[in-house]
Amino acid sequence: AQSVTQLGSHVSVSEGALVLLRCNYSSSVPPYLFWYVQYPNQGLQLLLKYTSAATLVKGINGFEAEFKKSETSFHLTKPSAHMSDAAEYFCAVSAFGGYNKLIFGAGTRLAVHP
Amino acid sequence: DAGVIQSPRHEVTEMGQEVTLRCKPISGHNSLFWYRQTMMRGLELLIYFNNNVPIDDSGMPEDRFSAKMPNASFSTLKIQPSEPRDSAVYFCASSSPGTDEKLFFGSGTQLSVL
Repeated sequence: AQSVTQLGSHVSVSEGALVLLRCNYSSSVPPYLFWYVQYPNQGLQLLLKYTSAATLVKGINGFEAEFKKSETSFHLTKPSAHMSDAAEYFCAVSAFGGYNKLIFGAGTRLAVHP
Repeated sequence: DAGVIQSPRHEVTEMGQEVTLRCKPISGHNSLFWYRQTMMRGLELLIYFNNNVPIDDSGMPEDRFSAKMPNASFSTLKIQPSEPRDSAVYFCASSSPGTDEKLFFGSGTQLSVL
């Protein structure tokens, strides 16, 4: 069985500051890991994914995440926050061959202030 | 491609009424998922289909909920009778083996049961 825990339901940063959104996973098999972003009144969009290739994954909009098996973590980072990054971010896990069934974390709402 | 199309975009109904939500997946995708999003529970997987066959409906809250996928291009989620606690945003998503576990989400249906 898989599960995901996102630490911090709300994160607030200043424009230009580092963004760090935390995600820890639990999986009995090698996981696939994802970060999705949801803007207000929209569906989820894929930011990046880890599927057992490189442990440092680069996504859209300057985001990246590093898979750390020893820490069972997949934290999302961005060196410099932009106002347009304000949204809700979801970490998700699935199992290879699991019909793409994703289990989502509770989400982290990112606020960016001037 | 038009993406995953959901209808209606908004639905307001009275308690006890039947509600039907509709989804058209991306052409060529063979997996379809229904998720429910609420403030309290976050994103919950209700049911998913593979090649039009329900694979896992363990997330369906109770017998009032039912889902069908009569063909590869259409799915419905029905609630009968509806209750105020069913108020949520319902998302449909689709994927295929070629998408490397990535889900494509629709814009959701905002359901309000009064």
